[in-house]
Amino acid sequence: DVKVTQSSRYLVKRTGEKVFLECVQDMDHENMFWYRQDPGLGLRLIYFSYDVKMKEKGDIPEGYSVSREKKERFSLILESASTNQTSMYLCASTGQATPSAYNEQFFGPGTRLTVL
Amino acid sequence: KQEVTQIPAALSVPEGENLVLNCSFTDSAIYNLQWFRQDPGKGLTSLLLIQSSQREQTSGRLNASLDKSSGRSTLYIAASQPGDSATYLCAPLGTYKYIFGTGTRLKVLA
Repeated sequence: DVKVTQSSRYLVKRTGEKVFLECVQDMDHENMFWYRQDPGLGLRLIYFSYDVKMKEKGDIPEGYSVSREKKERFSLILESASTNQTSMYLCASTGQATPSAYNEQFFGPGTRLTVL
Repeated sequence: KQEVTQIPAALSVPEGENLVLNCSFTDSAIYNLQWFRQDPGKGLTSLLLIQSSQREQTSGRLNASLDKSSGRSTLYIAASQPGDSATYLCAPLGTYKYIFGTGTRLKVLA
C-alpha cells in the first residue's frame, strides 16, 4: 500500500513565523503535490514537483515555496505566515512523471494549520 | 480551463438506498478520472480510477462510469450504509494537474 505521511496533523503558528510542512511518500513516486483545502473553494494546487529539485507553480503559489531535495520528501514553506494561510494542507503523490491514464493520486492525512 | 461540477452538493438518504453522484467537467482531454472519499478533517482516500479509454470501474458496492465525450462521470453506490457518510470528490487528470470538484456531502441515516 502506498503511504503518504505528513509531519503534523495540527499546527498552530503566529503571524510572521516561518512554517515548514513536511510530506514523505514511500512508493518511489515521481510526482508530489501540495494543495490547500478551504470550505466552499475545494482543493487548490499550490505547487507540484515531477522530479528531485524540480518544482512547478500551481494555481495559488503566492506566499509559499517548496523544496524537494530527495525523491521521497516534499516540503511546503510559508516564509512569513499570515492569517489568510489558515487552512487544511494536503500532500499527494503519483507514480509517473508524465501524465498517463495509470497515474493514481494518493493523499496524506492532512495538516490543519492555524495562524494566529 | 478545466471546470468540475458535482451535483448534488449534499444528499441525505435512508440506509439501504442506491445512490448516484454526478460529476461533470468541461474539458474532455483527460487521461483519467479519479473518485475520492473524504471523512471530516481527514485526507482523501482513493476509491476508483477510470482510465480515459475505459467506460466503467467497479469496486465492491461502488461503480463509476465515464463518458469522456460528454464530460460526465457518475459514482453509483449500492445498498448505502451509515459508514458511507462522507464527502465524495471527483478529479479528472489533465496535463500534470488534477482539477477537483467541490464534492457531494453524503449522509446515510440508520
